[in-house]
Amino acid sequence: AQSVAQPEDQVNVAEGNPLTVKCTYSVSGNPYLFWYVQYPNRGLQFLLKYITGDNLVKGSYGFEAEFNKSQTSFHLKKPSALVSDSALYFCAVRDMSRGSTLGRLYFGRGTQLTVWP
Amino acid sequence: NAGVTQTPKFQVLKTGQSMTLQCAQDMNHEYMSWYRQDPGMGLRLIHYSVGAGITDQGEVPNGYNVSRSTTEDFPLRLLSAAPSQTSVYFCASRFAGGSNQPQHFGDGTRLSIL
Repeated sequence: AQSVAQPEDQVNVAEGNPLTVKCTYSVSGNPYLFWYVQYPNRGLQFLLKYITGDNLVKGSYGFEAEFNKSQTSFHLKKPSALVSDSALYFCAVRDMSRGSTLGRLYFGRGTQLTVWP
Repeated sequence: NAGVTQTPKFQVLKTGQSMTLQCAQDMNHEYMSWYRQDPGMGLRLIHYSVGAGITDQGEVPNGYNVSRSTTEDFPLRLLSAAPSQTSVYFCASRFAGGSNQPQHFGDGTRLSIL
């Protein structure tokens, strides 16, 4: 079964410090992996994706994510956090195996990131 | 460019009432979907459509109907509202052939069932 796990409901970090939001996944075939961010009372906004190639992908607002196939992880990172990064972050995986429902997207439960001044 | 537009933004219903949540996109995306977001549950797929006239069920379809008469519009109907359907509903779209492409989300409809 396809699934995404975000083991931390909340991550708190001081402004200027590096941040990591964790994600692990389980899919039958090759995964397409995504990170989205949600600000209060808004829809989800795309941050970055991993499809193939370099395991370190860069995205919007200075975020990056590292794909690790052996650990089935796709952790979101940023070298220096900003207060404005405070939001809800979702990891998602698209199952591209044969028979999957047109590449349906599976979401994790979300991690609330709080960056304090 | 409006992207994905959802109406209304907020709605309060009484148990047993019906209503339609509207979703429209102006990006000519074939694939559209409806999710519900509940605290601690992430987003769960309700229904999706790969083009006009084609719809299918997602993870939590019970109590909801959809139709897709045009590429642009994908309304979600609650037939007889129940308190368990209190949630935030998001519509999303993308190109059907672009599986490596992200989905574009609307800003959601916050629905309370009393």
